[in-house]
Order: sequence, then C-alpha cells, then structure tokens
Amino acid sequence: EIVLTQSPGTLSLSPGERATLSCRASQSVSSSYLTWYQQKPGQAPRLLIYGASRRDTGVPDRFSGSGSGTDFTLTISRLEPEDFAVYYCQHYGSSLWTFGQGTKVEIK
Amino acid sequence: QVQLVQSGAEVREPGASVKVSCQASGYSFTGYYIHWVRQAPGQGLEWMGRINPKSAGTVYARKFQGRVTMTRDTSINTAYMELHGLIYDDTAVYYCGRSCGDITCPLHFDYWGQGALVTVSS
Repeated sequence: EIVLTQSPGTLSLSPGERATLSCRASQSVSSSYLTWYQQKPGQAPRLLIYGASRRDTGVPDRFSGSGSGTDFTLTISRLEPEDFAVYYCQHYGSSLWTFGQGTKVEIK
Repeated sequence: QVQLVQSGAEVREPGASVKVSCQASGYSFTGYYIHWVRQAPGQGLEWMGRINPKSAGTVYARKFQGRVTMTRDTSINTAYMELHGLIYDDTAVYYCGRSCGDITCPLHFDYWGQGALVTVSS
C-alpha cells in the first residue's frame, strides 16, 4: 500500500511570499492520479490540482503542481490571504485511494 | 448544479452503529463513484472506501473492512455509509465525495458533501 508523506507539516509565510509544498510517495506512482486539495476550517476539501499539474476550473493560476515518480510539488506563487489553509495530496492506485497527512500553511 | 447533501450530526454510544446518507443531485447518480472520507478532530483526511452506484460494487480500505458497509438506493439517488462497533476514536466528520468511475479518467474527488459529525460518547 502506497504511503504519501507531505512536508513540511507547517509552513509559516507572509502574504505575497511563495509557498512550496512537497508530497513524496513510498513508491513510484502515476502522475495521472496525483491530486491536491485545499481545506479551510469547518469546510469540506476543495479540489485544486489533478493529474499532478492540471488546475480545476476556477482555481487561480498562482497555484501550480508538478512532479513525477515519487516526488510531487504544489506551488503557490504569491500567497493571498485566502490561501492560508491545509493542503492534502492524494493518490489512486490498485483500487485504493490514499491521502497524505497534510501541510498547514499559516500566516507568519 | 452538482450537489451532495449529507444527513445531520449523530451521537452514538460505544458499540453502536451509525448510518450516514449522501443524496446526490444535478448529475447522473449511477455515472460516478461515491467515496467516504473521515476526519477526526484536528486530524487529516482518511479514505474509508467507495461504492459504484451503478453496480453496488464496493471497495473498502483495509482498516475498515468488516466494520463498514456502503450501500445505495438509486431510486432516490442516495448513498449510505454504515459503521458498526463504534469506538471513541470513530468520532469524526464523515464526508462523501464523488469521482468518475473509470480508470481512463483522473479519479479525483470533484464534489464533496458538507460533512456529518458523528460523536461517539457514553
């Protein structure tokens, strides 16, 4: 069973700064099935990026995803106040879905 | 528009069962998987399993096998998740989510329910 490890656990940044979030898989995975979600307190997760690099409809272009094999990255080019939230990566493989443990992006 | 509307909060005693519903609207219910994901207080997301509303076929995460049952009623476009033998650690918000049901598509969760809080307390 594939394990997704996200780092760092918490990222303390100021608005306008660049955020780089990592998601590492325990074995090579298909980038077609690598997804990123954003979750704010009291809300359901929101789809941001699927297929490792494809933005969902309406997602601002300051969000970008990249990576392949075992290493994937979510980048927020310039943090806006509404971007401070928890971000999860997710993978599908062998009929199972798996989430990483999340990275919290907090205001410094 | 696509909507997944879940049932309300529940309180159960340890050892009991709970059944949460997820009613879909705005799309063809049998064309997409329904997944169940839970989130304990202050913790991350945990995938529990999925049901194919067309066939009623299910896949459960290993952790929940033998303790969870996912069903659906296509006449009212509703999926259900029943968790048995509740323990205190099952206290969580339970979400349903939708994904396409074909490996040729990305299989991400594009719509989510609002969540249902299940509290296990004596």
